[in-house]
This record gives sequence, structure tokens and C-alpha cells, in this order.
Amino acid sequence: AQKITQTQPGMFVQEKEAVTLDCTYDTSDPSYGLFWYKQPSSGEMIFLIYQGSYDQQNATEGRYSLNFQKARKSANLVISASQLGDSAMYFCAMREGSAGNTGKLIFGQGTTLQVKP
Amino acid sequence: EAGVAQSPRYKIIEKRQSVAFWCNPISGHATLYWYQQILGQGPKLLIQFQNNGVVDDSQLPKDRFSAERLKGVDSTLKIQPAKLEDSAVYLCASSAQRIGEFGVTGELFFGEGSRLTVL
Repeated sequence: AQKITQTQPGMFVQEKEAVTLDCTYDTSDPSYGLFWYKQPSSGEMIFLIYQGSYDQQNATEGRYSLNFQKARKSANLVISASQLGDSAMYFCAMREGSAGNTGKLIFGQGTTLQVKP
Repeated sequence: EAGVAQSPRYKIIEKRQSVAFWCNPISGHATLYWYQQILGQGPKLLIQFQNNGVVDDSQLPKDRFSAERLKGVDSTLKIQPAKLEDSAVYLCASSAQRIGEFGVTGELFFGEGSRLTVL
């Protein structure tokens, strides 16, 4: 069964520094997608970045990059040059791509990030 | 483009009472999801619709939860009777993709959620 694990309940980072949020996953499906979402205190889930299991290069979106290590089954999110507005909860999620998949996302437990001024 | 709309944003009820949450997805999105997010945890899928049909409701506590999407657009999630452990944020999400089209790409678009407190 597919599973997502985020082992860091909370993280602190100084403004303008980089931070890495960990995510490991487990699936037997060779085709899958990994997603990161940000959830500020307002509650809305905001999509940040996506990585496909067959993608050759690590995904990047502005200050966000995904450190994808397929053999280790890890998909860590790297936020460069942290800003105060990055303070939020971050979720890693996975979708399996096998035939018959329903498109649902399975989420990890989340990591709370606090950016210090 | 308008996002996913949910109401009410907040609801406080006593146990054994009933509550209903409403969701209007992004226009044209065929697939709609209801997730339950308990404080400090990641969202958990309750039910998934494609148009007005149920795709997956394996995690829905059917003795007390029900959901419908009668016209394939907006959806209602109902809890009756509520229990203390139902206190959570109920997130609605939608996607333009249909079953079989997903592959592995395509993000879900979420609403701001409905926060339920059961006393």
C-alpha cells in the first residue's frame, strides 16, 4: 500500500536561508507522482511543485526545488532564500499512476515551518 | 478563474447534532474530493466523485457521513449524528481530469476548508 512519511513535525529557519523538508514514500507502482503543498494558517492547500517518477531531472519552481532520490524513495522539498511568508505547514503527497487509479492524493503528516526574522 | 468555494468556514455544534458542508468546485472540473484533516495530521480522503457518481468512498464512515453531488457540480457533505472525533477541517478539492486521464500529473485545487468543532 502506498504511504507517505514526513518525520519532521516542526522546523525553524532563519530568514533568507535555505531549508530542506523531508519526505519518504513507499509504493510498488513504478509510475507515480509526488506533490508538495503549502497550507498557511488560512487553511487553503496551495500546490507548490510536482515530480514524476520517470522524470530525469529534479523539479524546480522558483524558490522551490525537489530533491528526488528514487532509489531511496525520498522527495525532499528545498526552499531557498526563506521568507517570512513561507511560515506554514507543508505536506508531501503521492498519486499512483497504475491503470485504474482514481487520481486521489495520499498525504503525509506534514511539517510546520517557521521562518525567523 | 474562481477557486473552490466552501461554506461555512466555521461551525460549532454539540455531539449528536447534525451539520452540512457545501462545496462548489472550479467550473468545469469533473472530479471532486472531500478530505478530512484532523488537527496536526495530513488530509485523509473521505469520498471522491466524478461528475455525480461516487468513485471512492472506502474511507467514509457511512453510518454517520453522507455526501452527494446530484447535478455533477456542487456537493454537500453531511454528518449525522456528529461525534467528538469528527472535529476537523473538511477540505473540498477539484480536478479537471477524469478517471483514466490522470496518469500521475495534475494537481488538485483546494478550497479554504470548513472547520468543525464538536463539543
